This record gives sequence, structure tokens and C-alpha cells, in this order.
Amino acid sequence: GEDVEQSLFLSVREGDSSVINCTYTDSSSTYLYWYKQEPGAGLQLLTYIFSNMDMKQDQRLTVLLNKKDKHLSLRIADTQTGDSAIYFCAESENRDDKIIFGKGTRLHILP
Amino acid sequence: DGGITQSPKYLFRKEGQNVTLSCEQNLNHDAMYWYRQDPGQGLRLIYYSQIVNDFQKGDIAEGYSVSREKKESFPLTVTSAQKNPTAFYLCASSVGTGHTGELFFGEGSRLTVL
Repeated sequence: GEDVEQSLFLSVREGDSSVINCTYTDSSSTYLYWYKQEPGAGLQLLTYIFSNMDMKQDQRLTVLLNKKDKHLSLRIADTQTGDSAIYFCAESENRDDKIIFGKGTRLHILP
Repeated sequence: DGGITQSPKYLFRKEGQNVTLSCEQNLNHDAMYWYRQDPGQGLRLIYYSQIVNDFQKGDIAEGYSVSREKKESFPLTVTSAQKNPTAFYLCASSVGTGHTGELFFGEGSRLTVL
């Protein structure tokens, strides 16, 4: 079945760039998402990318997609303490399909 | 402001008791979902509903029940048949058919079984 894999932890110094990586198995994935979860709260959509795109940039966020390797990454430039959260990679095959989530990467910011 | 409201935020239950978690949305979304989140497990889909009076089982429906009598409301009952109910429960909604699939989440309900 479909699977989304991501590392569980990442530590980054404040001001550095954070890069969170994700791999997925479903070659039919059309929509790929990054969600952010702050402590004790629900998830919030950060950004998404269609499979026909290689890159998407939105202010400090850059999403890179390597469709051949089924690899998705989220880069956060100039990481701030407010970026401390769990980041979930997710995919769906089409607009109406179930969204499959990874286990989440906990981003820890070092002073 | 539009959004999703879950209640209660924290709930304690004795073993053998059923408990119902509330989820209400005023976003006029057709689809609603219940997820369970355990540490290191990510999100697992319990039930979802794409239209009023209809719902489908997700990946871990055993021990749970839902209803969708109104578009705005999708309550989840955790029954005594659920063997390990202590978890963080998240309700979500989406516009439904023809959208990019963005999910809007509530703030969650943390259930602890004593």
C-alpha cells in the first residue's frame, strides 16, 4: 500500500536553514503536502505542490520534488524559534482521494 | 471566524465507559474526518464522511462509531470495545469533491483512560 516516510527528529540552530525530507512510495501521487503541528494543537497546511512541478517557493519556505526518486523536501530559511513544531509530509493520488500522512518530523531549534 | 471546534479539549474516562467527542464546523465543508494521533505514529484515519447521512470506515475504525446527521457536526464515540483508547483525537474537514484536498483541523481532544 501507499507509504510516506520521514525522519522523526531534526535539530537546527536558530538562523540556519532547516531541511525536512520525505519519501513516498505511490508513483500515482498527484498532490504532495506539508502540514505543521504546533504543541497541543491541530495541523495546519503550510504548502502543497502538484506532481508536475519541481519546486515551489513561498516566502521562507521552499518545496523541492524529485518525482523520479519519489522524494519531497521542505526547506525553511532563517529558522526561527516559532518554527519549532512537528512537520508532516502527506500525499494523495487525486483531489478526492484519501490523504496519506507520514509520521511527522519534530523540528527542534537550538539557540 | 470560521473554523472547527472540538470539545472537550481534555477528557478522562474509566475503563468500560463510552465517551463521545464533539466536532463542529462552520466552514460549510462537505467532508469531515476523524484521526487518531499517537506519539511516533503519525495520523491514522478512523472514520470519514463526504456527505450528510453517509460515512465510511478508515484504517482503524474498530471500537469507534460516528454519525453525520447534520453537515456541521461529526461526533465520534469511543466505545468500551476500543482496547487502547488513550490518544490525541483530531477532527478535520475539507471542501470535498473537486478541491486540492486541503484539510482544516480542529485543536484536538486528548482522551486518557484511567
